[in-house]
Amino acid sequence: NAGVTQTPKFQVLKTGQSMTLQCAQDMNHEYMSWYRQDPGMGLRLIHYSVGAGITDQGEVPNGYNVSRSTTEDFPLRLLSAAPSQTSVYFCASSYTDRVGETQYFGPGTRLLVL
Amino acid sequence: AQKITQTQPGMFVQEKEAVTLDCTYDTSDQSYGLFWYKQPSSGEMIFLIYQGSYDEQNATEGRYSLNFQKARKSANLVISASQLGDSAMYFCAMRGRNGDSNYQLIWGAGTKLIIKP
Repeated sequence: NAGVTQTPKFQVLKTGQSMTLQCAQDMNHEYMSWYRQDPGMGLRLIHYSVGAGITDQGEVPNGYNVSRSTTEDFPLRLLSAAPSQTSVYFCASSYTDRVGETQYFGPGTRLLVL
Repeated sequence: AQKITQTQPGMFVQEKEAVTLDCTYDTSDQSYGLFWYKQPSSGEMIFLIYQGSYDEQNATEGRYSLNFQKARKSANLVISASQLGDSAMYFCAMRGRNGDSNYQLIWGAGTKLIIKP
């Protein structure tokens, strides 16, 4: 199993550009989520999905869109990049969102918005 | 509101010594889970250990153990016989409700652990 994969690893954008961060998992996990990690802070939840066709907002959803057309894929779209979106983005997945489920993380995408 | 607090921004520890990383949490849920993750300088997030709120015994995984004190709402990570490869950021996280039926991971700010040779 490849686990959770993310592309690209690094990306530089100009303010106002849009892009999609890709996330895929091959573990047949129902629950997937996107986090951002900023220096000195823990991870903050952007959006999550409890299954194909179902998405919901997390703590910091503004400026981001998601969709979940298949169980495997959960792309994150930046609509109009801003310098405040400079961060490291992690995708994670687990079988369910029950209390004891461990989330498994992708390697992260480092995004710089100029 | 649910919250995770890690009060140690950074720690230096001599190799082979035991390390305790502090984590306190705040929740009104009866059922919740506590996790520790390691983030080395390469950036990936590595799951270390899990403790459920109803678990009576402290969780252990190899050199990692979780000192769970429910009444004090603390879930400290203990690393025995530290190694140079333990140098990393360590995050405490809690799976709790976000106000509806879904359980989300809530994260602390992390502790940077440096092991000295």
